[in-house]
Amino acid sequence: AQSVTQPDIHITVSEGASLELRCNYSYGATPYLFWYVQSPGQGLQLLLKYFSGDTLVQGIKGFEAEFKRSQSSFNLRKPSVHWSDAAEYFCAVGLGQGGKLIFGQGTELSVKP
Amino acid sequence: NAGVTQTPKFRVLKTGQSMTLLCAQDMNHEYMYWYRQDPGMGLRLIHYSVGEGTTAKGEVPDGYNVSRLKKQNFLLGLESAAPSQTSVYFCASSYSTDTQYFGPGTRLTVL
Repeated sequence: AQSVTQPDIHITVSEGASLELRCNYSYGATPYLFWYVQSPGQGLQLLLKYFSGDTLVQGIKGFEAEFKRSQSSFNLRKPSVHWSDAAEYFCAVGLGQGGKLIFGQGTELSVKP
Repeated sequence: NAGVTQTPKFRVLKTGQSMTLLCAQDMNHEYMYWYRQDPGMGLRLIHYSVGEGTTAKGEVPDGYNVSRLKKQNFLLGLESAAPSQTSVYFCASSYSTDTQYFGPGTRLTVL
């Protein structure tokens, strides 16, 4: 069955430090992969997506993610975290049919001064 | 261009009451979705629609019904609310299998 796992429920990083959020998926075909961010009390906003081509994708707010087929991973990275990046981050895999997404459990990011 | 809007933003129900959540999008998207978000469980798909007049079940459809009478609207109904349906509900829309755009959510409490 298709699934998405985000191993880290909560991560705390210092402002200015680098960040990597992990995402592993289980899907038989070539996946469509997404990272969304949710600020408190808000809906989800797309950070970046991978459909095909270059396995390193750039997104908004200085985020990037790398698709590694051999590891079934799509980890999100940012070289220098800002306090405004504190939010919950969701990885998702697109199933193709009907545009359905399967989401991971989410990783809550806290940023300390 | 308002994107995806949801009505209401908050609601408290008693067990057994019914209600309808309204989702509207002005992006002319064919596909629309209803999710529920619960702590530690991410977002789970309740029902979805790939076009006006069509609906399909998602991962957790029990206790919910939907209708898509107009392309821009997607309604989620709870016929007899239960405490287990206390959640935050998100609507989303997309053009085919591309990016989904999310509404701001509806926080529902069932007592």
